[in-house]
Amino acid sequence: EAQVTQNPRYLITVTGKKLTVTCSQNMNHEYMSWYRQDPGLGLRQIYYSMNVEVTDKGDVPEGYKVSRKEKRNFPLILESPSPNQTSLYFCASSLSNYNEQFFGPGTRLTVL
Amino acid sequence: KQEVTQIPAALSVPEGENLVLNCSFTDSAIYNLQWFRQDPGKGLTSLLLIQSSQREQTSGRLNASLDKSSGRSTLYIAASQPGDSATYLCAVSPDNQFYFGTGTSLTVIP
Repeated sequence: EAQVTQNPRYLITVTGKKLTVTCSQNMNHEYMSWYRQDPGLGLRQIYYSMNVEVTDKGDVPEGYKVSRKEKRNFPLILESPSPNQTSLYFCASSLSNYNEQFFGPGTRLTVL
Repeated sequence: KQEVTQIPAALSVPEGENLVLNCSFTDSAIYNLQWFRQDPGKGLTSLLLIQSSQREQTSGRLNASLDKSSGRSTLYIAASQPGDSATYLCAVSPDNQFYFGTGTSLTVIP
């Protein structure tokens, strides 16, 4: 089944404790992206990747890191999480930025 | 920077009614526009993608139109059903990034 998977789905952590949210797609898509969704602000793009080893900042990259060492995986890294990073995070992929995006189920992160 | 607006923020209609959701964007130089639905606590499901060279796309009871010159798109839902209740989001891609509206929350009353 063609899909985008994210892990974990739920995470509660404390300020400053490094964490990684994994994202994987099995559709051989070149474009992958991370978003956060907050009430009243909608979805905002954090980082995106046009292809392997190519990543770029979106609208809200501060406090986040990403890597794209393989085409299928695009992990999101929070080196030192803070409470303002409490949010619902989505990973998405598409053949390119011209094509339909497919979203993962989301990761709900709470930073205490 | 691209700004995307969806009005109204919430809409409630009786079952069977035809309805229109609106999406407007400030920069008309877009590659494409995509409509999604989001159910509470769930991810986004793609409904329709309109490329910049297209004027509309149809899928079942859904029809999306795009007017780049005026910076507008509409999503038409025919014969609405309670199962259509969800939040509908539009997103535009003027470059390599995507910009989303804050959505319209639709409730279809049986």
